[in-house]
Order: sequence, then structure tokens, then C-alpha cells
Amino acid sequence: EAGVVQSPRYKIIEKKQPVAFWCNPISGHNTLYWYRQNLGQGPELLIRYENEEAVDDSQLPKDRFSAERLKGVDSTLKIQPAELGDSAVYLCASSARQVPETQYFGPGTRLLVL
Amino acid sequence: ELKVEQNPLFLSMQEGKNYTIYCNYSTTSDRLYWYRQDPGKSLESLFVLLSNGAVKQEGRLMASLDTKARLSTLHITAAVHDLSATYFCAVEETSGSRLTFGEGTQLTVNP
Repeated sequence: EAGVVQSPRYKIIEKKQPVAFWCNPISGHNTLYWYRQNLGQGPELLIRYENEEAVDDSQLPKDRFSAERLKGVDSTLKIQPAELGDSAVYLCASSARQVPETQYFGPGTRLLVL
Repeated sequence: ELKVEQNPLFLSMQEGKNYTIYCNYSTTSDRLYWYRQDPGKSLESLFVLLSNGAVKQEGRLMASLDTKARLSTLHITAAVHDLSATYFCAVEETSGSRLTFGEGTQLTVNP
């Protein structure tokens, strides 16, 4: 079974530029999460989707971050414009409706903003 | 707001020794996860603990949960170099909701 797929794996951009990350969850997983992991810290949730619906986006900086999950499968996270402080690893995870609802993480996109 | 604290944050130990990593959390929850992360890699699920008194073991690692004390432990028995990684505990307030992670414990096992 294929795991969570993310692309690109690495991205270097200059500040004020836009950037987008893509995630394909495990087949059949209804719930999709985007986390941000700063260096030396644990991941922090940005947004959670149940199918197409964003059910928890309280920690998403909406002035510059946006996300979508069309058709309830793939998802895209966008930053526009990027700031120096956005340098981090962006992790996508997915889970199925079962007990336990373990979240499976993708390899992440490592973003460096110069 | 749920807070999750791990200690120690850094642990250097010799092969063959035993040690315990602690994870405290601030609000009621009966769902706790342990993840492992190797440098530059993503998180790998190790254990899921769903009830008070739950104990799970895999190889040299054993995790337990005490929901009354709001405490989970990850015990390492006879450590080997391959266990070197960062270990995170994560607490889920309700099923399918966000995970709140601890800061991570960076474990180094020296020959």
C-alpha cells in the first residue's frame, strides 16, 4: 500500500514569492491534515479536512496561507507571499475512520525562504 | 489549551542501558500516540494507547498510559544504536481531531 505522497520534497524561494505544496493521501483515507514542523520542535496542525470540508483551520494564518482539497482526495497548501519565518517542514498526514484513527505522515516538504 | 511536555529533551545513553522518556499532558484525554522521527525523515507511528493502564511493547520499546496522572512513558530496554532518533508523544483530545505534539526527545545511543 502506497503511503502519503508529497511534492516537492525541497523548495527554496525568496521572500515575498508564492509557493505551493501538494499532498496525495493514502487511498481511502477521509481525513487529511497539514502540519508545520519548525526545527527542533514537534509538528503543529495548520488545517484538517474531512473529505472536502475544512473542519479545523483555527491555526492557519489566513492572511497568507490557503488550502484546498478538491474532490476530497489530493490537497494543496499555498503560501503567498512567503516570509522568512515560514521556513519549516510542511507535513501532510491522513487517517481513516477507524479505531484507532492513527495519522500516517508523508515525507514532508522542506521549505527555505531567503 | 492542551499542552504536552516531554522530558528529557535530550538523552545520550550507552548501548545496553535502560531508560525512560516521560510525556505529561494538561487536559483529559485517553488517546496518546508515540512517533519516531529519524533525521530528515517523516514521523513513523510506534504505539497507540487508548485507555488507562494501556501497555504496548515492540522489541526494546514499551509504552504505557496513566490517564489519571495524565502521563505516558516510553521505556527503552537494553538500548542499541539503531534506536537513535527523536521520539515524540502526541495527544488527541477527541477521535480524528488534531494531534498536539510534545517537543520531542532526541535520543542518541552510543556504542
